[in-house]
Amino acid sequence: TQLLEQSPQFLSIQEGENLTVYCNSSSVFSSLQWYRQEPGEGPVLLVTVVTGGEVKKLKRLTFQFGDARKDSSLHITAAQPGDTGLYLCADNSGYALNFGKGTSLLVTP
Amino acid sequence: DTAVSQTPKYLVTQMGNDKSIKCEQNLGHDTMYWYKQDSKKFLKIMFSYNNKELIINETVPNRFSPKSPDKAHLNLHINSLELGDSAVYFCASSQDLAGGLMTADTQYFGPGTRLTVL
Repeated sequence: TQLLEQSPQFLSIQEGENLTVYCNSSSVFSSLQWYRQEPGEGPVLLVTVVTGGEVKKLKRLTFQFGDARKDSSLHITAAQPGDTGLYLCADNSGYALNFGKGTSLLVTP
Repeated sequence: DTAVSQTPKYLVTQMGNDKSIKCEQNLGHDTMYWYKQDSKKFLKIMFSYNNKELIINETVPNRFSPKSPDKAHLNLHINSLELGDSAVYFCASSQDLAGGLMTADTQYFGPGTRLTVL
């Protein structure tokens, strides 16, 4: 099973700040997904990236997939308290999702 | 309408007991999963079922037994509960069983069942 490293593990910022979280692997991803999990809820899919170098935007969230398809980043512009949650990257090389350990984000007003 | 539902939401029980968690999806999906999220929030696959057939059985103790009576339901039975079984268990579903070079299908997760073993 591919090992996914996410960094940072924890992030606490003020509303309005920008932030970037990372997901890295020693192996090539067939495809990579980002999920957000809010407290007391299950993860919800944000985006799927497939092609090396791909950039996808979802409102204030920008997702990048590395050229070599071994890393990905999620950038949030002007973070809001509603962005608080656990951000998980996952690959689907097997017959189920293989998750990283997540970045726990807290955005305070 | 809830897409993937689980019952119960919370389960507190004594060591050695047997318990079940139920999962239902109304999305018409062919594949269902059970994941375990530990106290450090690490989410790991336990089982995967496609069209009622077991596809994945990760290194899970045989005290855990999934049962799929039909494509819309995947229940999890746990025998002889241990302290280390305390975790949040998530059910999920997806349309297809994707893997390898195939693009990942969207998985829809239930709200989770928090199991506490005393």
